[in-house]
Amino acid sequence: GNSVTQMEGPVTLSEEAFLTINCTYTATGYPSLFWYVQYPGEGLQLLLKATKADDKGSNKGFEATYRKETTSFHLEKGSVQVSDSAVYFCALKAQGGSEKLVFGKGTKLTVNP
Amino acid sequence: NAGVTQTPKFQVLKTGQSMTLQCAQDMNHEYMSWYRQDPGMGLRLIHYSVGAGITDQGEVPNGYNVSRSTTEDFPLRLLSAAPSQTSVYFCASRAVSTLGGEKLFFGSGTQLSVL
Repeated sequence: GNSVTQMEGPVTLSEEAFLTINCTYTATGYPSLFWYVQYPGEGLQLLLKATKADDKGSNKGFEATYRKETTSFHLEKGSVQVSDSAVYFCALKAQGGSEKLVFGKGTKLTVNP
Repeated sequence: NAGVTQTPKFQVLKTGQSMTLQCAQDMNHEYMSWYRQDPGMGLRLIHYSVGAGITDQGEVPNGYNVSRSTTEDFPLRLLSAAPSQTSVYFCASRAVSTLGGEKLFFGSGTQLSVL
């Protein structure tokens, strides 16, 4: 079945450090791929998405590129801020058919000043 | 525009009690879903619906019932609460599009403890 695997956390960085959170997926065809972010005490919010191979999603300085050849959608940010501290979830929606979203287990990021 | 509204925010139950978690959205979204979030497990889909009168099971449906009598509401019922159902529950909705990739809107969550 469809699945998403994220790097295990927690990840702790200093402010202005470079961030990478790895995400790989298993699915047939061309799923849509997403990164969601959950700030403390809140529900999840869409951070960025990509719906076809080689697409790059970007938002708030975060980027992720849909790599079909490596079935990956890694999240990157060049210079993190304390306000980026949150839990990040990679997710996919299968091509056609099911409307369900499948989530990874989440990666907790803490950014220290 | 309230988005997705979940009630209650917190609930404590005793084993064997029943209750209903409420979820309402005012965006006319066809798709609604319930997830539970547990440490180290991420989000797991309990039930979902693609429109009024249509529901289906997700990954972890046992012990939960849902119904969808209107587009706006999608309540989640715990029939006989068990400690294993202690979790944070999220309701989420989105529009259904043949393009796929539509944004999922989440409620703020219900923290449930079963003693």
